[in-house]
Amino acid sequence: GENVEQHPSTLSVQEGDSAVIKCTYSDSASNYFPWYKQELGKGPQLIIDIRSNVGEKKDQRIAVTLNKTAKHFSLHITETQPEDSAVYFCAAPGEGSNYQLIWGAGTKLIIKP
Amino acid sequence: SAVISQKPSRDICQRGTSLTIQCQVDSQVTMMFWYRQQPGQSLTLIATANQGSEATYESGFVIDKFPISRPNLTFSTLTVSNMSPEDSSIYLCSVSITGDQPQHFGDGTRLSIL
Repeated sequence: GENVEQHPSTLSVQEGDSAVIKCTYSDSASNYFPWYKQELGKGPQLIIDIRSNVGEKKDQRIAVTLNKTAKHFSLHITETQPEDSAVYFCAAPGEGSNYQLIWGAGTKLIIKP
Repeated sequence: SAVISQKPSRDICQRGTSLTIQCQVDSQVTMMFWYRQQPGQSLTLIATANQGSEATYESGFVIDKFPISRPNLTFSTLTVSNMSPEDSSIYLCSVSITGDQPQHFGDGTRLSIL
């Protein structure tokens, strides 16, 4: 079945710098990769997702890149701000399913003022 | 995206009791899911709530412990039965409008068992 590994577990960056979080997956048939942001006391919020027919997708300061050959995808946040501090999760579809997600372990992003 | 409301938002319960968590969506959705999230951990899928039929449980979760109802396309409940301190966790409801659409989450129910 699908296995998703996420790194790093904690990332501390200076405000204004960029942050990159990486996930690897095992099932080469996977074709949908979402990223979620979870703030304290809240449920996970979808911030960006990518399907396997594209290599990159951007939404303002957030971008996701996908390398199907290497089976990894990354979240890029530029010009980080204090409100970017949160836990970020990647996910990939479970075997034979597009809606049942397998989740990464999460990355705690800390933005230092 | 759909607006998802979960009730209660938090509760403190005595061991041996049961609690039913409600998930209400403001529009009809095909898929509804229930997750558990231990403090500081990732999400673990408990089950997929199927409208009009029995829920589909993941390995390690059983219907007797986590009975689920889904009477229509906008509502589901998860009951945590015969609770023990190990059941202290955040329980999250998520929905997908169609099976091919992203999942969106409620804010969860924070459950503590004394």
